[in-house]
Amino acid sequence: AQKVTQAQTEISVVEKEDVTLDCVYETRDTTYYLFWYKQPPSGELVFLIRRNSFDEQNEISGRYSWNFQKSTSSFNFTITASQVVDSAVYFCALSAHLTGGYQKVTFGTGTKLQVIP
Amino acid sequence: DSGVTQTPKHLITATGQRVTLRCSPRSGDLSVYWYQQSLDQGLQFLIQYYNGEERAKGNILERFSAQQFPDLHSELNLSSLELGDSALYFCASSVGKSGGPIQETQYFGPGTRLLVL
Repeated sequence: AQKVTQAQTEISVVEKEDVTLDCVYETRDTTYYLFWYKQPPSGELVFLIRRNSFDEQNEISGRYSWNFQKSTSSFNFTITASQVVDSAVYFCALSAHLTGGYQKVTFGTGTKLQVIP
Repeated sequence: DSGVTQTPKHLITATGQRVTLRCSPRSGDLSVYWYQQSLDQGLQFLIQYYNGEERAKGNILERFSAQQFPDLHSELNLSSLELGDSALYFCASSVGKSGGPIQETQYFGPGTRLLVL
């Protein structure tokens, strides 16, 4: 079974605050990929990051950082010094190969982040 | 602008009908992915094509089919439509160098909003 849990349904922060979006996953596969996507109010999807299961290095991209911990099956996303433009729904996802060319991709239910000016 | 185009933007049809959604990937991208986003099911990966061939299959129903043409544009065909097929359908593209599904940075189109009445 494969599962992605984003327990935080909605988060509100004041601009310039740091915020962490949690993502906990379950999989029996040893090789898998984790992703974060952003969906602003305009509705389009934006790919943010992918991480494979063998690479536990944390990653930083500008104000964004990701903390991958296999020991706790978590792939958390932190926005530093949040801005109003960060207001969006953020999705975490997990993918793994199945036999027969199938790809099991599971998305979390999303966390809606509202950054208040 | 991601460089991925999708037509039409909106589509209203009736149950039992068939529709075709079209996606043009970014110039040079070989992989095309289709996703569905609905209120009931959330985000789901449907299928991926790479350079004209099906590469990975997700939660795609048998009533749905897709193909990628020699010019690399892709079409998603939805038939025998049901009310539950109402959703936002996203197409994404990626370079495709790795040839693997959902392992690269993906660029999303604006989506086609389908309403089945």
